[in-house]
Amino acid sequence: DIQMTQSPSSLSASVGDRVTITCRASQSILSYLNWYQQKPGKAPKLLIYAASSLQSGVPSRFSGSGSGTDFALTISSLQPEDFAIYFCQQSYSTAYTFGQGTKLEIK
Amino acid sequence: QVHLVQSGAEMKKPGASVKVSCKASGYTFTTYTIHWVRQAPGQRLEWMGWFNAGNDNTKYSQKFQGRVTITRDTSASTAYMELSSLRSEDTAVYYCARDQYSKGGHYFDYWGQGTLVTVSS
Repeated sequence: DIQMTQSPSSLSASVGDRVTITCRASQSILSYLNWYQQKPGKAPKLLIYAASSLQSGVPSRFSGSGSGTDFALTISSLQPEDFAIYFCQQSYSTAYTFGQGTKLEIK
Repeated sequence: QVHLVQSGAEMKKPGASVKVSCKASGYTFTTYTIHWVRQAPGQRLEWMGWFNAGNDNTKYSQKFQGRVTITRDTSASTAYMELSSLRSEDTAVYYCARDQYSKGGHYFDYWGQGTLVTVSS
């Protein structure tokens, strides 16, 4: 299976900060990379698909980039509702795999 | 709008089976594939398998092959995931999610609320 590794595992930031979370695949996955946000006790929510396409209804402060093995999720100006856990997921292989998650906490 | 509503929490003993349902609304059930994903406490999301509600094709993760069965009742717009030979490590929240496809690959655009399955003697 393709291994997905996120960094950092946790991150403290303040409202208004710009933050970037990275995701690395164990082999090239082209642009078949998705990002999800999960809040405590809730289901994951799709933010970005195909590495850089913003899901309908998701604020434009979220953006995705990368291809091959290295990807990034950037939040341009953190809002209070953005403190959550973020997961990447590859869909290059139909044995879909997820990153371990990055917990974004309030500083 | 699209909704996936799952059945309630389950408590099972080791060796038993559990069947979780996922009722879809707001779209044509047979047009989309449904995935099942689980999340054990403190662990990453883990894909279990998918079911194409249009043609009955299925694909399971090798990890769960032989223990998981995904089925559907089209008349009820409901997908089911049954996991057998339960062990304590199967304690997790189980999610259904709808598959969406673009030229950039597959992604899961709508998720159920999750079903907690606890396996304990």
